[in-house]
Amino acid sequence: DAGVTQSPTHLIKTRGQHVTLRCSPISGHKSVSWYQQVLGQGPQFIFQYYEKEERGRGNFPDRFSARQFPNYSSELNVNALLLGDSALYLCASSGYNQPQHFGDGTRLSIL
Amino acid sequence: QQQVKQSPQSLIVQKGGISIINCAYENTAFDYFPWYQQFPGKGPALLIAIRPDVSEKKEGRFTISFNKSAKQFSLHIMDSQPGDSATYFCAASMITSGSRLTFGEGTQLTVNP
Repeated sequence: DAGVTQSPTHLIKTRGQHVTLRCSPISGHKSVSWYQQVLGQGPQFIFQYYEKEERGRGNFPDRFSARQFPNYSSELNVNALLLGDSALYLCASSGYNQPQHFGDGTRLSIL
Repeated sequence: QQQVKQSPQSLIVQKGGISIINCAYENTAFDYFPWYQQFPGKGPALLIAIRPDVSEKKEGRFTISFNKSAKQFSLHIMDSQPGDSATYFCAASMITSGSRLTFGEGTQLTVNP
């Protein structure tokens, strides 16, 4: 069975631009969460969606937004990119109250 | 508080030795404690997890020890192998938060042959 898939794997943007990252969950998983992992640190929670509704939001500015589609895939959008947004963005999927399984992430570099 | 503190930051052990990584948490509402293993260029992979109703869980060479009163839990890797060289993260979540994970800072483990 396919795991969590994320696209693109790498992305280079400049300050002020916006970016859209995509995630396809494991088949049957209805919950998708997004995390930001800065180099050398643990992942930080950004959003969780379950059944297309936002169920949690971490301490991130409004420049970060997300949504979940009827097929349970998800997008993370970041506007007005800053140098500090450079990180690995991880998507995790899970069943209800089940362990989270992570994709390999999108490496975002801001120039 | 939502923090999870992890130590040591880095760890070097010899092949066949025991690797021990420790974590401490503050929020007594946490009720799920997983450990993740991450290789360079990859996402974190679930290794083993425990709930606070048990004090120890073992899966193969990996054991979690849990001390509820001290609000601490640790990962023991027995017979450490070079292939275990990776970054390990402890995490915690509350069932009421919909499995939102709070991660420790990570431990970079190197197992020398």
